[in-house]
Amino acid sequence: QSALTQPASVSGSPGQSITISCTGTNNDIGSYNLVSWYQQHPGQAPKLIIHEGTKRPSGVSSRFSGSKSGNSASLTISGLQAEDEADFYCCSFAGSNTWIFGGGTRLTV
Amino acid sequence: QVQLVQSGTEVKKPGASMKVSCKTSGYPFDKYGLSWVRQVPGQGLEWLGWISGYNGKTNYAQKIQGRVTMTADSSTTTAYMELRSLTSDDTAVYYCARWNIVISPGDVWGQGTLVIVSS
Repeated sequence: QSALTQPASVSGSPGQSITISCTGTNNDIGSYNLVSWYQQHPGQAPKLIIHEGTKRPSGVSSRFSGSKSGNSASLTISGLQAEDEADFYCCSFAGSNTWIFGGGTRLTV
Repeated sequence: QVQLVQSGTEVKKPGASMKVSCKTSGYPFDKYGLSWVRQVPGQGLEWLGWISGYNGKTNYAQKIQGRVTMTADSSTTTAYMELRSLTSDDTAVYYCARWNIVISPGDVWGQGTLVIVSS
């Protein structure tokens, strides 16, 4: 099973908004509302920022939002801040209690 | 607070086996599953498998099926992942993460365990 497809990099200026796409198939994203997004700073473990496509865990900034359409999902970060600079990964349930990650996107602010 | 604490760095020869532990605390072990995820240095995340904290049921990624065994000891609230027949491609940081399908797919992560496979 191939990884979900994400752009290798995106960039934005402080205060701007950016969107990271995540494309899968009708075997994963297209079949389930179970996309999660993770932020990973260098040398640290990933941090869950979006689950079930659109839901933010407690304590995660409202500047992070998620959406889904068909076989694709997106993460939008509004009001970019320097501390947002990190790697971002999408992940989708793929049936039979298996999961698949995207290749990751490096955000430069 | 909820914590996942993993075992330390391992250096293994090709063909050997590794076993990483993940000691959990701060939550009811039987109410959550755990996933194992690895990251080759400089590369992305790869989901390896999941184990139920309730009954030890497992699901593995097809890529490593047959080489991996995940276990959970509810008496010590510790999960283990054993990977056999190691090659250099298995050199990575291995993470455990608390993982339920909804609400908490990876809401808490261990600190990671570096496994180096080298002759």
